[in-house]
Amino acid sequence: GQGVEQPDNLMSVEGTFARVNCTYSTSGFNGLSWYQQREGHAPVFLSYVVLDGLKDSGHFSTFLSRSNGYSYLLLTELQIKDSASYLCAVRGTSGGNYKPTFGKGTSLVVHP
Amino acid sequence: EAAVTQSPRSKVAVTGGKVTLSCHQTNNHDYMYWYRQDTGHGLRLIHYSYVADSTEKGDIPDGYKASRPSQENFSLILELASLSQTAVYFCASSERGPEVFFGKGTRLTVV
Repeated sequence: GQGVEQPDNLMSVEGTFARVNCTYSTSGFNGLSWYQQREGHAPVFLSYVVLDGLKDSGHFSTFLSRSNGYSYLLLTELQIKDSASYLCAVRGTSGGNYKPTFGKGTSLVVHP
Repeated sequence: EAAVTQSPRSKVAVTGGKVTLSCHQTNNHDYMYWYRQDTGHGLRLIHYSYVADSTEKGDIPDGYKASRPSQENFSLILELASLSQTAVYFCASSERGPEVFFGKGTRLTVV
């Protein structure tokens, strides 16, 4: 089966950085995605990683270690508007078809 | 732009009643999904489909049925609504790539 774990909450300060962690277990790994979800809205896709290492996308960077079942989303130069929930989603396969499994999400609060 | 439209956007249902949530996508995507979101549980997969006229059980299918009559439409049916099914429901679609596009959600309250 698949399991995705994230911490519930994270706080940081405007202008600094925040790292949102995600650990997972899956059979048939086909990549990991990160989504941002603002209160009362639908999740929005941010990034996708399938190879080990750090993928720098400017404000958002993502890291993946497949051997450890671990990923993180790094947000730099934080702004107040980055306060949101960040969801990790692992894409496994079931009978040859893609099946995304989401974590519970990490609620990030950015303080002035 | 990719679009997933859910209806209704909110609904109050009576315990034991039948509820149908509808979803329509204009993305021409093969995959469609129904998730529910509850505080403390995050997004949980109820049913999904990778082709018209076929549906698959997700992680929490009990108490729900799904129907995919065409590539564009995917419905979630609660035959006998229960209090525990009060939640926000999201429909989503994707291609074989990693990005999943979500609808705006349906807030269902069962009383």
